[in-house]
Order: sequence, then structure tokens, then C-alpha cells
Amino acid sequence: ETGVTQTPRHLVMGMTNKKSLKCEQHLGHNAMYWYKQSAKKPLELMFVYSLEERVENNSVPSRFSPECPNSSHLFLHLHTLQPEDSALYLCASSQDDGYNYGYTFGSGTRLTVV
Amino acid sequence: SQQGEEDPQALSIQEGENATMNCSYKTSINNLQWYRQNSGRGLVHLILIRSNEREKHSGRLRVTLDTSKKSSSLLITASRAADTASYFCATDAWAGGTSYGKLTFGQGTILTVHP
Repeated sequence: ETGVTQTPRHLVMGMTNKKSLKCEQHLGHNAMYWYKQSAKKPLELMFVYSLEERVENNSVPSRFSPECPNSSHLFLHLHTLQPEDSALYLCASSQDDGYNYGYTFGSGTRLTVV
Repeated sequence: SQQGEEDPQALSIQEGENATMNCSYKTSINNLQWYRQNSGRGLVHLILIRSNEREKHSGRLRVTLDTSKKSSSLLITASRAADTASYFCATDAWAGGTSYGKLTFGQGTILTVHP
């Protein structure tokens, strides 16, 4: 285990469903990230939370809604998704005190939208 | 356009051989990192090299950085079948004044090591 836990590991949802992805880190890090990994594309940064405040939102459609209730937990709420949203969603955390030491990733949630 | 681009896209070698992967990037960086990903899993941080460093070692890994050419290479020596994975470079263009880094990843090199 890396210290970053993502649940569920796999998720199949219809386009009208509402679901949430959960990420929890036990490393005492102060920054958390959501990335999307689609086939044949580089990892895309979706959201960044630093000290529980959203500091980055990379033009992500509003059908993706992040939530960071505390420094250990990060959620990604999903609603009315499209088939092209099917991908591996990765959560990561890092300790950033003005100097990047590298990210710790979770194992990801494989999302399939049908 | 993406910041980091790896070359080659795929590499196939025999166990015991060395594997070299290259990464090029476009803008100034604070550091460059290499990650490994086994099929369908999360990424694992391998090594970080800062912009004022030229070479770094970690076990069988050797990373070089040439900021004048905006390029880096990852060398895996004496490869093993267990090294089969995708390898990504990521650049951190964090500019002072923020409290977090922001990594931009390349598309990766798929390494296959045959026993």
C-alpha cells in the first residue's frame, strides 16, 4: 500500500447516475490532486487542493465536482457523465512546503460510463 | 501541447540488458521526476532530479538532466522481467509564491523486458 487509498477500484455507472470517488491519504501531506488517465493520452490534471483549498481547476466540466473536507480526504462527485468520461481516475498527494518532493498515487478507480 | 514527451514510445529488451528512455520538455522547470506504472495501476515515484543537478542514482536507476537541451534520460541497468511497465517523466514548473507543485506528465514509454 502506498498510503493513498482510493475507493472503489472499479465503477460502472449509467449516464444519469450520481456517484462519488473517494481518496484518503495517511501520509500527513498537505496537497491532494485528481488526475484523469485516458487511453493514448497523457495524464490530465483535473483539480488541486492545497491546505484544503481548491487552487487549481483545469477547465473541467461541471459534471465533475471535487470536495476536500479535510487534509486527509478528497472526493470526486460525478453526475450525468458521458461515455468519453470513461477512464482511470487517479488521486495523489504530496507534501509541498515550497519544494516538491514527489507525488504519492493511489491505485486508481477504473470508471466505465455506459 | 504537453510539457514532457518520452522517447521511444515502446521499448522491448531482454533480461540483463540496459534500458534507456528519454524525455524532452519545453519550459523552464524546478525539477523533473520519473514514475513507473504497472498495467492499470497507480503511478509509483522513482526518482526526482532538481534543476541544479545533472545526474542522480537510485539502485539500478540513473537519471540525467540537461537543462540547456531541456531533456532528461532514465537508464535502468541489468533489467529484469519485473521492470516491465510504463515509465513517465513529469515536470514541475512550480513558480515560487504558491504552496504546491503541479506536475505535467508525458505520454510515457512502455518497457517490455523478456525473460
